Amino acid sequence: GAGVSQSPRYKVAKRGQDVALRCDPISGHVSLFWYQQALGQGPEFLTYFQNEAQLDKSGLPSDRFFAERPEGSVSTLKIQRTQQEDSAVYLCASSLDRATNEKLFFGSGTQLSVL
Amino acid sequence: DQQVKQNSPSLSVQEGRISILNCDYTNSMFDYFLWYKKYPAEGPTFLISISSIKDKNEDGRFTVFLNKSAKHLSLHIVPSQPGDSAVYFCAASVTGTYKYIFGTGTRLKVLA
Repeated sequence: GAGVSQSPRYKVAKRGQDVALRCDPISGHVSLFWYQQALGQGPEFLTYFQNEAQLDKSGLPSDRFFAERPEGSVSTLKIQRTQQEDSAVYLCASSLDRATNEKLFFGSGTQLSVL
Repeated sequence: DQQVKQNSPSLSVQEGRISILNCDYTNSMFDYFLWYKKYPAEGPTFLISISSIKDKNEDGRFTVFLNKSAKHLSLHIVPSQPGDSAVYFCAASVTGTYKYIFGTGTRLKVLA
């Protein structure tokens, strides 16, 4: 596709429910990132993939958060047993190469609301 | 701790005038900086970047200035247009790594 595509655009979950957020990066982009943006804050790094390898997951807030990119293209961020503090916009970004000084292309995000 | 800070949450500027958005950082290892613009309900889009080997980079109406000794960068928009109204984020990274650290953003409103 022309840009980074994320789905769903909005997700409302009941506390305790599991959710899965999908990211379809720009074709051919090696690097893929997940960021979390709380209201009024800047994007905060969650995790980074180079192809299918998850090279850094240091930003994942708890073991309820899990991300995968099994074939090196589409990625899924899964949140188990959602809590109210998980409410945020989840942004996916991709870049062409190792992302060293490469600009990131962001998707429109998934707005997650946990009730 | 906030390694990248944007201390002005909002800024209003008259159309045609200059907009100056500021960003401070604390990590002296940062050597690459970017500005992103974000419209409501959209993801951030890349605007302009600067490497620490430069102190200025210009692209059309947008100029980024870097003051390494002060650990400060600024984005100048001249002339400002109503379509520039958006939230602007600065981001910083260390060459050889991949993690970009974002500031909290400044909401710019350009008044017609």
